[in-house]
Amino acid sequence: DAKTTQPTSMDCAEGRAANLPCNHSTISGNEYVYWYRQIHSQGPQYIIHGLKNNETNEMASLIITEDRKSSTLILPHATLRDTAVYYCIVRVAKTSYDKVIFGPGTSLSVIP
Amino acid sequence: DSGVTQTPKHLITATGQRVTLRCSPRSGDLSVYWYQQSLDQGLQFLIQYYNGEERAKGNILERFSAQQFPDLHSELNLSSLELGDSALYFCASSASIAGGQETQYFGPGTRLLVL
Repeated sequence: DAKTTQPTSMDCAEGRAANLPCNHSTISGNEYVYWYRQIHSQGPQYIIHGLKNNETNEMASLIITEDRKSSTLILPHATLRDTAVYYCIVRVAKTSYDKVIFGPGTSLSVIP
Repeated sequence: DSGVTQTPKHLITATGQRVTLRCSPRSGDLSVYWYQQSLDQGLQFLIQYYNGEERAKGNILERFSAQQFPDLHSELNLSSLELGDSALYFCASSASIAGGQETQYFGPGTRLLVL
């Protein structure tokens, strides 16, 4: 499975857009990009995922570069409750097993 | 609420003891995953079951074992506990086994403290 690299930490002003980058330069054609977040010690929360195209849902937008080697998670209007650790992972599309590898993630602090 | 439930929420026990953590997947989900999260290790994949069968193993110690029952709930058994086993243990579930196409949804976790 491809590995990802993310900044260790980021700050964002409340009400502003939070743009969280992820590098996955070794991604294969059948690997999806997934984003999760973990608030304090709660269970990781699914945010969004994509393969090639940009995706948007009620929580966030995912922008994937054309060469798929990097992506950006966008929280359009960050609130204090968005303070969390954000994980970018890649997963193989079809497999007889599913071994998800989480990296250290990005610790996002939303500042009032 | 992800729909995945885990019991107990908290567990305090002594070294050398054995504990069982329980996970009920979302309704209809066939695949269950277990993760360990300790302060210095981050989220570590332990093991995956699909419809009662073991499908993938990660960094799971030999003292740990898991199973998935016919009703699809899963149990993680931790034995000969050591201080270093203190951690958060998360269960996740997904509809099937089709890797990247199936979102994993996580439970709230069980916090284990070994004294």
